[in-house]
Amino acid sequence: GENVEQHPSTLSVQEGDSAVIKCTYSDSASNYFPWYKQELGKRPQLIIDIRSNVGEKKDQRIAVTLNKTAKHFSLHITETQPEDSAVYFCAASKPGAGSYQLTFGKGTKLSVIP
Amino acid sequence: ETGVTQTPRHLVMGMTNKKSLKCEQHLGHNAMYWYKQSAKKPLELMFVYNFKEQTENNSVPSRFSPECPNSSHLFLHLHTLQPEDSALYLCASSQAPRDIQYFGAGTRLSVL
Repeated sequence: GENVEQHPSTLSVQEGDSAVIKCTYSDSASNYFPWYKQELGKRPQLIIDIRSNVGEKKDQRIAVTLNKTAKHFSLHITETQPEDSAVYFCAASKPGAGSYQLTFGKGTKLSVIP
Repeated sequence: ETGVTQTPRHLVMGMTNKKSLKCEQHLGHNAMYWYKQSAKKPLELMFVYNFKEQTENNSVPSRFSPECPNSSHLFLHLHTLQPEDSALYLCASSQAPRDIQYFGAGTRLSVL
């Protein structure tokens, strides 16, 4: 089955700096890579996703890059703010019988220091 | 809110109890999922239902029994649980063929 590795497990940055979280996956058939943000005591929420037919996607301060050959993808957050502090999860999935199995990384706890 | 509601939000149960977790989605989706979230572990997929049919069961112990009476409701029946089953149980839904999953707020389960 799919295996997703995520690094680092914790990350502290100064407010205004950039943060980068990296993930690798094992199954070359995976074609969808979402990133979820989970604030303390709250549900995971999708913040950005990328499909295997593109190499980069941006949404304001957040960007995701995908290298299919190397089977890794990364989340980039620029101009970090204290409200970016949360646990971030990457995931990989491939289509199944009408539903999608997301395999998650272990998460990265991001702390933005004011 | 995302339209996925889970009840109860918190549950404490003994190892001999029987309880059920409920999930309801108001998004018109046709696939629903149960995940287990433990400390220092990745989110673990437990069950997948597509159009009310169970399509995946990721080697989950039989003390967890899912039920999907219709595409809007999903239950997780619990019996004779172990302390290591204490975790946050998350429900999610999606609309095939799109793969974006929307999560509920979860049920925090403590097994004593």
